[in-house]
Amino acid sequence: GDSVTQMEGPVTLSEEAFLTINCTYTATGYPSLFWYVQYPGEGLQLLLKATKADDKGSNKGFEATYRKETTSFHLEKGSVQVSDSAVYFCALGSRGGYQKVTFGTGTKLQVIP
Amino acid sequence: DSGVTQTPKHLITATGQRVTLRCSPRSGDLSVYWYQQSLDQGLQFLIQYYNGEERAKGNILERFSAQQFPDLHSELNLSSLELGDSALYFCASSLSGGNSDTQYFGPGTRLTVL
Repeated sequence: GDSVTQMEGPVTLSEEAFLTINCTYTATGYPSLFWYVQYPGEGLQLLLKATKADDKGSNKGFEATYRKETTSFHLEKGSVQVSDSAVYFCALGSRGGYQKVTFGTGTKLQVIP
Repeated sequence: DSGVTQTPKHLITATGQRVTLRCSPRSGDLSVYWYQQSLDQGLQFLIQYYNGEERAKGNILERFSAQQFPDLHSELNLSSLELGDSALYFCASSLSGGNSDTQYFGPGTRLTVL
């Protein structure tokens, strides 16, 4: 079945550091890929998504590229801020039919001033 | 604000009891999803509805049931509650229920079973 594997946290970075959160997936066909973010005390919200190979999703300085050859969708940001402290979830949605979207376990990011 | 509303925000109850969680999707969205988030198991997909019909089922216990009504709001019923059911329950909605859809999450209901 479909699965998403993302790096375990917590990840602690200093402000303005470079961020990478790894995400790899297993799926049949060509899924859509998502990054969701959950700020403390809130529900998840979409950060970015990509629906086909080589697409790059970007939002708020975050980027992720859909890499079919390595089945990866790593999240990157060049310079993190304290306000980026949150839990980040990688997710995939399989094509065809109304199957569930599969979420990774989440990676907690803490940015310190 | 995602446009998805959930009530109540907090719920405290005892083991063996039954509770109902309510969700109103974003205006125009036809599909509703329910998730359970706990510290030890992360975010678990429970069930999905599209326009009143069940579309996909995840790790939903037999003690749990859900439905989506003609006005598209949804309710998640949890019965014979156990301590381990204490968690955050999220509802999400999307336009068509397709797997490239963005899901919009509500603020969650925090259930505490004592």
